[in-house]
Amino acid sequence: SQKIEQNSEALNIQEGKTATLTCNYTNYSPAYLQWYRQDPGRGPVFLLLIRENEKEKRKERLKVTFDTTLKQSLFHITASQPADSATYLCAPHSGGYQKVTFGTGTKLQVIP
Amino acid sequence: DTAVSQTPKYLVTQMGNDKSIKCEQNLGHDTMYWYKQDSKKFLKIMFSYNNKELIINETVPNRFSPKSPDKAHLNLHINSLELGDSAVYFCASSQEDGTQYFGPGTRLLVL
Repeated sequence: SQKIEQNSEALNIQEGKTATLTCNYTNYSPAYLQWYRQDPGRGPVFLLLIRENEKEKRKERLKVTFDTTLKQSLFHITASQPADSATYLCAPHSGGYQKVTFGTGTKLQVIP
Repeated sequence: DTAVSQTPKYLVTQMGNDKSIKCEQNLGHDTMYWYKQDSKKFLKIMFSYNNKELIINETVPNRFSPKSPDKAHLNLHINSLELGDSAVYFCASSQEDGTQYFGPGTRLLVL
């Protein structure tokens, strides 16, 4: 069965450093990989989507990579700020009307 | 001008009761979803509708019945509520690439 694992339940990092979150998947060949941010008491918010034929995608301080050989996506936040503290979810997707399966999430805490 | 809205935001009820949650989206998306997020924060899909047609039906007790009167609305009716149904239920809609737009969630507590 499909399995999606995010590197750790929680990650603490000093303000200004780069946070790197990992998403590994097995028994799956997604065409897309999505990343979401969820704040306490709120619904997830879409951040970035990367396609299988893209190695890297950037948006402001965010960078996502997608390695279909390793079956892994890395999510980087550069110059992290306390406001980046949240839970980040990865979601591989086959496209179209196929279901989006979410990872278990990594809770990021940026310490001032 | 909320994109995806849900009502109610909170729902506290007794075991055995029947309750409904409503969802509306004004994004013009064709596909809508119901997700359940349990106490461990794991987000799991329950149902998906595309243009009022059920296209995803995960292993969910048949006490849960979704209804889509039109492509902008997706409601969830739950019969005979059980303690294990306590969770946060999120509605979402999506574009063709599957990018999900979530509502604020409905926090259900079954006593």
